Amino acid sequence: GQNIDQPTEMTATEGAIVQINCTYQTSGFNGLFWYQQHAGEAPTFLSYNVLDGLEEKGRFSSFLSRSKGYSYLLLKELQMKDSASYLCAVMDSNYQLIWGAGTKLIIKP
Amino acid sequence: DAGITQSPRYKITETGRQVTLMCHQTWSHSYMFWYRQDLGHGLRLIYYSAAADITDKGEVPDGYVVSRSKTENFPLTLESATRSQTSVYFCASSEREYNEQFFGPGTRLTVL
Repeated sequence: GQNIDQPTEMTATEGAIVQINCTYQTSGFNGLFWYQQHAGEAPTFLSYNVLDGLEEKGRFSSFLSRSKGYSYLLLKELQMKDSASYLCAVMDSNYQLIWGAGTKLIIKP
Repeated sequence: DAGITQSPRYKITETGRQVTLMCHQTWSHSYMFWYRQDLGHGLRLIYYSAAADITDKGEVPDGYVVSRSKTENFPLTLESATRSQTSVYFCASSEREYNEQFFGPGTRLTVL
């Protein structure tokens, strides 16, 4: 079966760095997406990785290792507005997104 | 308004009633999707559409019907609502099947 695993909840301090991990087992691979979802709102696109390595976009970076079925999202200089759920999704061989249950990130002052 | 919209935003209905959730996008994206989001689960794909008059089942299609007569609209119908269909429903669109998806604001549906 297809499976995406990510921690249910993480807590971090304002100004710090946090890494949210995602491991996956899917039928084929056509890229990995990270989305941010604030409570009561829609998911919004953060990043896309299809090749191994690190993609940096401002305070956010995303890493992919296809051989290990592993990705992480790195958030630097955390701000209170970063409190949200972070969703990992893998695009399978049929170009359908398989979603993890999300990681709720709590930022403390 | 530009973007992707859903209506209604909130809906309460009773078991056995038919309910239609609307989705409209102004980008002329080819692909449109319907997901449901439940606590403890990732987003689950109900149906998707590659173009007008082309639809296909996702992971959890039972009890749902879709149509797509125009590129910009993708309504989702619950033919006979059940309590297990209480959920938040998101519509999304993308330009190509491999592009990032853009989500509507969601419809919170409660079936009593």
